[in-house]
Amino acid sequence: DAGITQSPRHKVTETGTPVTLRCHQTENHRYMYWYRQDPGHGLRLIHYSYGVKDTDKGEVSDGYSVSRSKTEDFLLTLESATSSQTSVYFCAISLGTGENTGELFFGEGSRLTVL
Amino acid sequence: DQQVKQNSPSLSVQEGRISILNCDYTNSMFDYFLWYKKYPAEGPTFLISISSIKDKNEDGRFTVFLNKSAKHLSLHIVPSQPGDSAVYFCAAKTGTSGSRLTFGEGTQLTVNP
Repeated sequence: DAGITQSPRHKVTETGTPVTLRCHQTENHRYMYWYRQDPGHGLRLIHYSYGVKDTDKGEVSDGYSVSRSKTEDFLLTLESATSSQTSVYFCAISLGTGENTGELFFGEGSRLTVL
Repeated sequence: DQQVKQNSPSLSVQEGRISILNCDYTNSMFDYFLWYKKYPAEGPTFLISISSIKDKNEDGRFTVFLNKSAKHLSLHIVPSQPGDSAVYFCAAKTGTSGSRLTFGEGTQLTVNP
C-alpha cells in the first residue's frame, strides 16, 4: 500500500469560490499527479510534480494551480470554481522502481460538486 | 485529439465466459500500455501492462494482446467472474512522458452470474 490520502473526499461548493484539494503520501515518492475523471473522457492529467517546488501542466490545466512545498503533500487549487470543474479528482504517485512502465498508484478520489 | 480510444462504453458477459475489452491508439511513440480497473467510489488500480516490443502478456486470468500494425490492444479475462464487474481503462505512455499516462474513456464490464 503506497499510502495516499486525499482530502476532502467530498465537497460541494458554489461557483466563484476557491477550493483546495490535498493529496498526502507517506513514502517520499518523487512524482505526484492530479487527474480528473469525467464520463466520456476517462482520466485526464491536470498537473504533475517531479519534486518539491517542481511542477508542470498537464492536458487540462486551465483554471487549476498546484503547489508542492513538501515531498509528502501535493495541493490542487481551483482559484474560482466553475460548474465545468464538477468532477472526481484523483491523486496518483509513480512507484518508480526499476524500468519505468508507467504504473501509477491512485488515491481514492475527491468528488467535487460546483453549484 | 483522442490518442487512446475505447469505443465500447459497456460490455456484458456471462460468468465463466471470456470478456474481451478493446482499445485503439494513434500515437506510434507509445512504449507501454496499461490496463486499470476501477470500482465505484474507489481509485483506479493497476491490472496489467505490456511493452510495445511484445505482443502478449499474461497474468493469471488476464491477458493483454498488442497488435502494433493495427494500433490496437485488447484485454482478455478468462474465465470472467462477477467480481470483475468494474470500469476498465486503457492507458499508454511514451518514452519521454515518464509516468504521465494518456487514458481511454473506459468500458463498463458487467459479469452476470
